[in-house]
Amino acid sequence: RKEVEQDPGPFNVPEGATVAFNCTYSNSASQSFFWYRQDCRKEPKLLMSVYSSGNEDGRFTAQLNRASQYISLLIRDSKLSDSATYLCVVNKPGTYKYIFGTGTRLKVLA
Amino acid sequence: SAVISQKPSRDICQRGTSLTIQCQVDSQVTMMFWYRQQPGQSLTLIATANQGSEATYESGFVIDKFPISRPNLTFSTLTVSNMSPEDSSIYLCSVDAGTSGLGNEQFFGPGTRLTVL
Repeated sequence: RKEVEQDPGPFNVPEGATVAFNCTYSNSASQSFFWYRQDCRKEPKLLMSVYSSGNEDGRFTAQLNRASQYISLLIRDSKLSDSATYLCVVNKPGTYKYIFGTGTRLKVLA
Repeated sequence: SAVISQKPSRDICQRGTSLTIQCQVDSQVTMMFWYRQQPGQSLTLIATANQGSEATYESGFVIDKFPISRPNLTFSTLTVSNMSPEDSSIYLCSVDAGTSGLGNEQFFGPGTRLTVL
């Protein structure tokens, strides 16, 4: 089993749609979780951290399910500018290191 | 968040040569990391750059191929030695943004796009 697994997509959705991505992780001791966004030919940028209680930032909602070892990202009212690759990132327990998923590609269509 | 710059932003090199990539941060940071992102792939950690000591390399990466320097808390270099076309990739430095403990977010430099002919 991969340490961090994501559906590579692409997810093609119309503007205004709601889309959700899941990411599973294998190490139950992981404590820190993040979603990063990466535009084509650019560096990854932090989108949001994922907290145990779930958190929301505008149109974006992140949730953590420890029992099933997955995190999710929900995007409401999709915009064309949301088109990007979304990377799931999980810490390696006991270290400063992070493990990156392969990313989920999102295309928002006009 | 930290502001991170990398030089060069891109380069095209001949096989057998070496390239040194610089990473500069606008504030002092304890943890700096070097990643590689091959075309269509996600990020793979090469090594953790430690100030005042040797870098810590991940499985599959060795110091002879990827020597790293970390002379102070704001700067690091990664050298890609004796390059081959398989080294064509984007090389990214990142910093741990936290002031204490584990589990902090990382911020990335803009990357160096390397093509080896």
